[in-house]
Amino acid sequence: NAGVTQTPKFQVLKTGQSMTLQCAQDMNHNSMYWYRQDPGMGLRLIYYSASEGTTDKGEVPNGYNVSRLNKREFSLRLESAAPSQTSVYFCASSPTSGRINEQFFGPGTRLTVL
Amino acid sequence: QKEVEQNSGPLSVPEGAIASLNCTYSDRGSQSFFWYRQYSGKSPELIMFIYSNGDKEDGRFTAQLNKASQYVSLLIRDSQPSDSATYLCAVHRVEYGNKLVFGAGTILRVKS
Repeated sequence: NAGVTQTPKFQVLKTGQSMTLQCAQDMNHNSMYWYRQDPGMGLRLIYYSASEGTTDKGEVPNGYNVSRLNKREFSLRLESAAPSQTSVYFCASSPTSGRINEQFFGPGTRLTVL
Repeated sequence: QKEVEQNSGPLSVPEGAIASLNCTYSDRGSQSFFWYRQYSGKSPELIMFIYSNGDKEDGRFTAQLNKASQYVSLLIRDSQPSDSATYLCAVHRVEYGNKLVFGAGTILRVKS
């Protein structure tokens, strides 16, 4: 099993450009998440999908959109990139809701917006 | 007040010593607690979770939970240079759905 995969690994954008970050998991997990990680800020939740067909905003959703394409795939779109969106983006998945919500992380995408 | 607070460190310990990492949380209804390790440039990986008061041991790692005082800690015995990483604390409450709330992490440096 590959676990959680993300593409691309690195990306440089100019202000105003758009792009989509891709995430896929092969663990048959119901829930998927997008986080951003900035120095000293920890992981902040952007959007999540509790199950196929549903998406919800997290702590920092402004400037992002998501699509839960199917159970395996969850994409994050930046419509008009801004320098404040320079960050490391992690996708994660977890098997179910309930008491123990162990999340598994992808390798991350390092995004720079100039 | 942040929901989950950790001392950013760095916490420096000599090889073979016990490293003690602490985390406090503000939501008294939090139900389960997770410790993730993150090496520089890598993604977080789960070390342990705990949801009952007391200690939970797994090899060199022990998680301790005190819900009355709203803190959770991670002890690493016989610390090795390979334990040098950032340790993230995360909390979960079923009423909040599947979301975890993460602390900013503590940098641990184990010196040989």
